[in-house]
Amino acid sequence: QVQLQESGPGLVKPSETLSLTCTVSGASINSRSHYWTWIRQPPGKGLEWIGYVYYSGTTNYNPSLKSRVTISVDTSTQHFSLSLRSMTAADTAMYYCARVLQPKWELPYLDFWGQGILVTVSS
Amino acid sequence: DIQMTQSPLSLSASVGDRVTITCRASQGIRNYVAWFQQKPGKAPKSLIFSASRLQAGVPSRFSGGGSGTDFTLTISGLQPDDFATYYCQQYYSFPWTFGQGTKVEFK
Repeated sequence: QVQLQESGPGLVKPSETLSLTCTVSGASINSRSHYWTWIRQPPGKGLEWIGYVYYSGTTNYNPSLKSRVTISVDTSTQHFSLSLRSMTAADTAMYYCARVLQPKWELPYLDFWGQGILVTVSS
Repeated sequence: DIQMTQSPLSLSASVGDRVTITCRASQGIRNYVAWFQQKPGKAPKSLIFSASRLQAGVPSRFSGGGSGTDFTLTISGLQPDDFATYYCQQYYSFPWTFGQGTKVEFK
């Protein structure tokens, strides 16, 4: 069974950088058939896609966050990570990591999600 | 960005009811729509991809349809476990975007 688990600080100060890690088990992060993605959800609001990374390190980001985001992968440890710079109160949200399946001849889509981690931005 | 508009944003229903949620895309997205179920305090669960294909393990009372700009999620015979918020998502173009969510509540 595929499992994804987010880890990182629950509290970040304004202007600081958020660093989150997602640990993948039950699946290989080296898979050519999957991407690994981050999605966030502010309290009481909807979902926002942040970006994804491929095992090779190839990335794709939401333009609204692109200037502040880096997503990376460490295939040796089955982790992928999110770095979000210059945090403000508007970045307070539940952050989810998830797996994306890349089927043959079709566009990639989300299939498994982590439980999420709440990150609050406050001094 | 492609806007995904869901309706209604909330609905009240009883166990056994047939419930339909609609999602409209701001431009044609072929059949590249997914649906997710989220319960309070829990991560979203993937239900449907390619507009109508069920993820493994999803009960057959869930069905999806549509193509182009208009899509539906139908629950035939609502069960107590189905009271949740449902989101549509387009993955036709980047950035991927989600609908606002539809909350299905107990009548």
